Amino acid sequence: AQRVTQPEKLLSVFKGAPVELKCNYSYSGSPELFWYVQYSRQRLQLLLRHISRESIKGFTADLNKGETSFHLKKPFAQEEDSAMYYCALVQGAQKLVFGQGTRLTINP
Amino acid sequence: SQTIHQWPATLVQPVGSPLSLECTVEGTSNPNLYWYRQAAGRGLQLLFYSVGIGQISSEVPQNLSASRPQDRQFILSSKKLLLSDSGFYLCAWNRGVNKEQFFGPGTRLTVL
Repeated sequence: AQRVTQPEKLLSVFKGAPVELKCNYSYSGSPELFWYVQYSRQRLQLLLRHISRESIKGFTADLNKGETSFHLKKPFAQEEDSAMYYCALVQGAQKLVFGQGTRLTINP
Repeated sequence: SQTIHQWPATLVQPVGSPLSLECTVEGTSNPNLYWYRQAAGRGLQLLFYSVGIGQISSEVPQNLSASRPQDRQFILSSKKLLLSDSGFYLCAWNRGVNKEQFFGPGTRLTVL
């Protein structure tokens, strides 16, 4: 069965430090993965998708099929990055399977 | 532009009472619609999804049901709420080959 695992429920780093939010998936085929973010008092929204291979707000995520991972990284964390982050895997035609989420806190 | 609405924003209900949460989408037609529950420590759990009027797929067996009486309306219901139904309920939509989902503001349900 397709599954997404985010091993860290909470992650706290200092401003300016690198941040990495881990995501591992299980999927027999070519996966399609997303990172969603929910800032305080805002709606859950798409941050980035692996097929775009883009950097959004300084974040990047590389799909590693060998390690079945899609970790989200940013070299220098900012206070406004504090949020809840979800990794998601496309299942079937239009469904998404979400991980448990990681609450990221950036300390000043 | 497309927008998605949910109401009510918050709801406190006694155990055993009925439930009706509504979600509507504007600015698009024939969207795929989704209901999720967001619980602390359990992430986002897909409850139901619909690819068209009257078409509902249930992802997990539970005390809830969903209906899609109109193209852009998705309703989450229960005949008798349980304590375990408490949580944050999110509605989402997408369309076509773009798998990105757009989420509503959510409804915080507390069952006492």
